[in-house]
Amino acid sequence: NAGVMQNPRHLVRRRGQEARLRCSPMKGHSHVYWYRQLPEEGLKFMVYLQKENIIDESGMPKERFSAEFPKEGPSILRIQQVVRGDSAAYFCASSPLRQGEEKLFFGSGTQLSVL
Amino acid sequence: GQQVMQIPQYQHVQEGEDFTTYCNSSTTLSNIQWYKQRPGGHPVFLIQLVKSGEVKKQKRLTFQFGEAKKNSSLHITATQTTDVGTYFCAGHSGNTPLVFGKGTRLSVIA
Repeated sequence: NAGVMQNPRHLVRRRGQEARLRCSPMKGHSHVYWYRQLPEEGLKFMVYLQKENIIDESGMPKERFSAEFPKEGPSILRIQQVVRGDSAAYFCASSPLRQGEEKLFFGSGTQLSVL
Repeated sequence: GQQVMQIPQYQHVQEGEDFTTYCNSSTTLSNIQWYKQRPGGHPVFLIQLVKSGEVKKQKRLTFQFGEAKKNSSLHITATQTTDVGTYFCAGHSGNTPLVFGKGTRLSVIA
């Protein structure tokens, strides 16, 4: 039973480019969460999605960031016109339970570096 | 908004010594979870506590949830080099997103 799969593992972008981060949840999990981690920091919640729906995006910046979890295929976190401050590790997690009850299974993360 | 604080930020111990990390929330929690992240790795779920005053053990690890459901602790007895990593607490307050503390980074000197 494969775990949460994230790709790419490392992503390098120049300022102004777009970054697309992918996440396939564990089999049987319909709840996906995206977290961001800066060095020496905890994980900051960004967005919570179920299939085809954004449930809670209270932690996601209003501009340049978007997320989706289509009926078919992985969840995508998209960052447009990246800036140096976007450099961080982005972790996806999935759960079989809804927000408030979930235990999270994390992927290996995508390390985004903006030059 | 809800905040979760953890202390200490860093802890260096000799192998065989005990280790404790403390977690405090600004709001009453419906449950608290603990995760471990090895250097270069991803967070891995350790345990969830739900009841006021609950204590759970996993081998050398003891987890406590405070009576007021606003604080928690993780205690490791006789640390080993395999315990190295960052330990995060994370809490729910109702149906809000899981909020993580900044973690305690444990180093174990052999």
